[in-house]
Amino acid sequence: ETGVTQSPTHLIKTRGQQVTLRCSSQSGHNTVSWYQQALGQGPQFIFQYYREEENGRGNFPPRFSGLQFPNYSSELNVNALELDDSALYLCASSREGTPGDGYTFGSGTRLTVV
Amino acid sequence: GEDVEQSLFLSVREGDSSVINCTYTDSSSTYLYWYKQEPGAGLQLLTYIFSNMDMKQDQRLTVLLNKKDKHLSLRIADTQTGDSAIYFCAEWGYNFNKFYFGSGTKLNVKP
Repeated sequence: ETGVTQSPTHLIKTRGQQVTLRCSSQSGHNTVSWYQQALGQGPQFIFQYYREEENGRGNFPPRFSGLQFPNYSSELNVNALELDDSALYLCASSREGTPGDGYTFGSGTRLTVV
Repeated sequence: GEDVEQSLFLSVREGDSSVINCTYTDSSSTYLYWYKQEPGAGLQLLTYIFSNMDMKQDQRLTVLLNKKDKHLSLRIADTQTGDSAIYFCAEWGYNFNKFYFGSGTKLNVKP
């Protein structure tokens, strides 16, 4: 059973650019959630995808968008990058209807915006 | 949204017990979790408790829940240097279907 894989592990972008982060879900999981963890903070919920549609969103602007594919993998896209977008982005996969202990987190993508 | 709060730092000596505290606000049926994060790594689930329980023990870890005060604690017995990390308390409920995390407690274990 494979876990959750995120790519890339690190990247550096310039303010104003766009970025795409990728997440492959664990085998048997059909839901993907994304979290942003700023330095020194706990993870904050961005959104969740189920059946290729957004299924809940946190307090993030529309320039944060996502996709889920038929194989349940997912992308997080951020447009018009700002310095405050620098953070660790965590993806978690789960099976719809399972409680939180059924979530598997990836190791994250560390995004630095300069 | 829900509010989960933790103290920021804890320093203990190797072999002592560590107690990390957390408060939360939701009063409905939820699950409460403890995650460990080592430098540069993702989140590792340590243990969890459902909100109708008082205590859960899992090897060196003991979780205590005071529902009246909405207070959760994680006790690590015989703390080792490998336990040095950031510990996050998190709340999850079916009615909101996402995690609310605290800001994390940095545990420093001195040899």
